[in-house]
Amino acid sequence: DVVLTQSPATLSVTPGERISLSCRASESVDTYLHWYQQKPNESPRLLIKYASQSISGIPSRFSGSGSGTDFTLSINGVELEDLSIYYCQQGNSLPFTFGSGTKLEIK
Amino acid sequence: QVQLKESGPGLVQPSETLSLTCTVSGFSLTSYGVNWVRQPPGKGLEWMGTIWNDGSTDYNSALKSRLSISRDTSKSQVFLKMNSLQTEDTAIYLCAREGGHTMGPYVMDAWGQGASVTVSS
Repeated sequence: DVVLTQSPATLSVTPGERISLSCRASESVDTYLHWYQQKPNESPRLLIKYASQSISGIPSRFSGSGSGTDFTLSINGVELEDLSIYYCQQGNSLPFTFGSGTKLEIK
Repeated sequence: QVQLKESGPGLVQPSETLSLTCTVSGFSLTSYGVNWVRQPPGKGLEWMGTIWNDGSTDYNSALKSRLSISRDTSKSQVFLKMNSLQTEDTAIYLCAREGGHTMGPYVMDAWGQGASVTVSS
């Protein structure tokens, strides 16, 4: 199974900051890497698909990059509403797997 | 508008079988697959399995011996059955649409609200 390692586990941020979250795969997943946002007591929401493709309705401050084994989710100007847990998921091979998540907190 | 909604019992006895239904609207099950994903309290997401638009299925090998996913396309419903439940199966169970030909394969582009399942006597 492909193991996805997300770092950091928790990130304390100041509103307005530009931040980067990391997701590393135990083997290449090409660009079959997707990012989801899960707000407290809500279901996950798709943020970025195929490593860097934007999703309609998602604010433009969210962007993704990477391929192979190293991926980054960036938020350019964090807002209070971005307080969430962010998960990466690979769709390159079965079983589909998720990272353990990065929790965004406000300083 | 794409919607998915899970339903089922909130409480299941240990060793019994869990049965959940995901009722979808706004799309056809013959065009899109549906995934089941679960989330234990305070923990991360685990993919359980997928029923694809052609009706074929794939399962997480860790659950395969206990898990069955099926569907009724006429009712726009997908079913999850998992037997021999234990306390560690306590979780929120979510169904999510597979991206298919619009969003692309192997991505989960719409999610239900989740069904909370507690395994306890």
